[in-house]
Amino acid sequence: AQTVTQSQPEMSVQEAETVTLSCTYDTSENNYYLFWYKQPPSRQMILVIRQEAYKQQNATENRFSVNFQKAAKSFSLKISDSQLGDTAMYFCAFMNPPGANAGNMLTFGGGTRLMVKP
Amino acid sequence: ETGVTQTPRHLVMGMTNKKSLKCEQHLGHNAMYWYKQSAKKPLELMFVYSLEERVENNSVPSRFSPECPNSSHLFLHLHTLQPEDSALYLCASSQGGGRGDTQYFGPGTRLTVL
Repeated sequence: AQTVTQSQPEMSVQEAETVTLSCTYDTSENNYYLFWYKQPPSRQMILVIRQEAYKQQNATENRFSVNFQKAAKSFSLKISDSQLGDTAMYFCAFMNPPGANAGNMLTFGGGTRLMVKP
Repeated sequence: ETGVTQTPRHLVMGMTNKKSLKCEQHLGHNAMYWYKQSAKKPLELMFVYSLEERVENNSVPSRFSPECPNSSHLFLHLHTLQPEDSALYLCASSQGGGRGDTQYFGPGTRLTVL
């Protein structure tokens, strides 16, 4: 079964600085999908960024970027120029492709609580 | 309404009550999901419906009963729950059938079982 591990339960960062959240996963598949979701205190889970394993280029979305290391099974999220609104729980998630074991199902890590300080 | 909506947002029930959670998606998606989010555990997938057919159960206790009458609506019927069932229940939807479809989540229902 797939597992997703987020080793940092809590982190904090000063406003305008950069922070990196770590995520590792375990799979025997070669092609799969990785996601970072954000859950602010209002509780609505929001997609931050998505990566397809067969793409070597790291995904970026404005201030959010990932460092995808396929051989190491690592998928870290970098937040640049942190803003107060970035305060939230961040979840790393893994998805097998259709046809694979639990294909198209999301497996979540335990989450990292990020606090952005003014 | 846009995106994925859930009602009620908060629910308190006794162990002998019967209640239902409702989810509606306005995105034209074909797949819908129920997740349980407890304080001490990662999000747990409970049920998946694709084109209104259940495709994943994940060994959820029978006191939770899902219903998907059409591709836009998903219900979770609750009966004789236990205090450990208190959690945030999240609904999500996705296009369905594709590769790595992004799931879009609702705001959740905070359930407390007394």
